[in-house]
Amino acid sequence: GIQVEQSPPDLILQEGANSTLRCNFSDSVNNLQWFHQNPWGQLINLFYIPSGTKQNGRLSATTVATERYSLLYISSSQTTDSGVYFCAVDRSGSRLTFGEGTQLTVNP
Amino acid sequence: EPEVTQTPSHQVTQMGQEVILRCVPISNHLYFYWYRQILGQKVEFLVSFYNNEISEKSEIFDDQFSVERPDGSNFTLKIRSTKLEDSAMYFCASSVNAAEAFFGQGTRLTVV
Repeated sequence: GIQVEQSPPDLILQEGANSTLRCNFSDSVNNLQWFHQNPWGQLINLFYIPSGTKQNGRLSATTVATERYSLLYISSSQTTDSGVYFCAVDRSGSRLTFGEGTQLTVNP
Repeated sequence: EPEVTQTPSHQVTQMGQEVILRCVPISNHLYFYWYRQILGQKVEFLVSFYNNEISEKSEIFDDQFSVERPDGSNFTLKIRSTKLEDSAMYFCASSVNAAEAFFGQGTRLTVV
């Protein structure tokens, strides 16, 4: 099956710093999503981005499908950004394959 | 904003008991999914469901698991004889067109 690798596994920032999270995948995909898992375990949709670039406030994402990677940018980080960020991909519309996630800690 | 709703939020059950996890997908969605996340691990696919039948299932989804859409709004996951290793967060998700999936808040299942 398709492999999804996320880096870095852990990231510690001071409030106000910027960061870039990376997701590499091993095969062509039709769907790619970024999620934020908050401390209560909820999976929050951030972006549906099988290709191209999107922005939502302080967050933006870029997927380069031909090179099989996606990047999530977080600018001016806040303590509420803490949690685990997951990338998930799908080839056929029937199952998402998740990466291991990036654990982000933003300190005040 | 429409959302996927799961009940209960937390369930504790004795090993060997049957549990039913319930989900109300977003109303105009046609594709339904169950995923699980063992504590500290990544989210894993269990099963997808479309047009009242299973469209794909993972190797985790063995004979102890079943899914059902008993009416026009609910989607359930039944675990027949729970084991300690079934303890996990179970997520329901739905999609209108098998593209972007929206997840519920999860049910934390603890088997004791």
